[in-house]
Amino acid sequence: QVRLEESGGGVVQPGMSLRLSCAGSGFTSSSYAMHWVRQAPGKGLESVALISWDGSYEYYAASVKGRFAISRDNTANTVSLEMNSLRPEDTAVYYCAKDSGGSGSGALHFWGQGTLVTVSS
Amino acid sequence: QSVLTQAPSVSGTPGQRVIISCSGSNSNIGTNTVNWYQQFPGTAPKVLIHANNYRPSGVPDRFSGSKSGTSASLAISGLQSEDEADYYCATWDDSLRGPVFGGGTKVTVL
Repeated sequence: QVRLEESGGGVVQPGMSLRLSCAGSGFTSSSYAMHWVRQAPGKGLESVALISWDGSYEYYAASVKGRFAISRDNTANTVSLEMNSLRPEDTAVYYCAKDSGGSGSGALHFWGQGTLVTVSS
Repeated sequence: QSVLTQAPSVSGTPGQRVIISCSGSNSNIGTNTVNWYQQFPGTAPKVLIHANNYRPSGVPDRFSGSKSGTSASLAISGLQSEDEADYYCATWDDSLRGPVFGGGTKVTVL
């Protein structure tokens, strides 16, 4: 069955960097777009970034554009999120999610368990 | 401020029918399909409805979705205590060229 497992979360100081990874199994990674969605404590869901099946299209929320970078390795079935210049408002649980299609406009049928990122001095 | 607008909360008694609304614009709901997610505290969201009105296998048929113009709705018929959760609408936005979520609606079973 499809499984997604995030790793790399933790506590960092403002201005520092962190790299999240998402390992997928049970599906052919190269066929699907992948998303990072975050949820700040007590808040709703926010789409942070997405990458198309072949890496040709990337989307970033305005709040993270220029600071975060999404990438994928289809041979290793992994998606990563490089987060730079972190701010306290980036504190959230970060979920990796698999799109139902390759472009990124489909439903997110599978999610990881999430990894907590805390930005605090 | 979310691109898609949802009421923060709705409530109902067991057996009642409740409707959660999601309002958008021509660049998102008006031209793309809508998905709905259910989330319990401390857990990852789960897709409840996709492509406006399709239920994945395993989702009870008391959940149904619809879309009209720039708005979408999720109906829960025969509300049960286990339906108490947060519900989010989501779609693609052609102007942003990315996915957008509603702010979420908390359903309380009285």
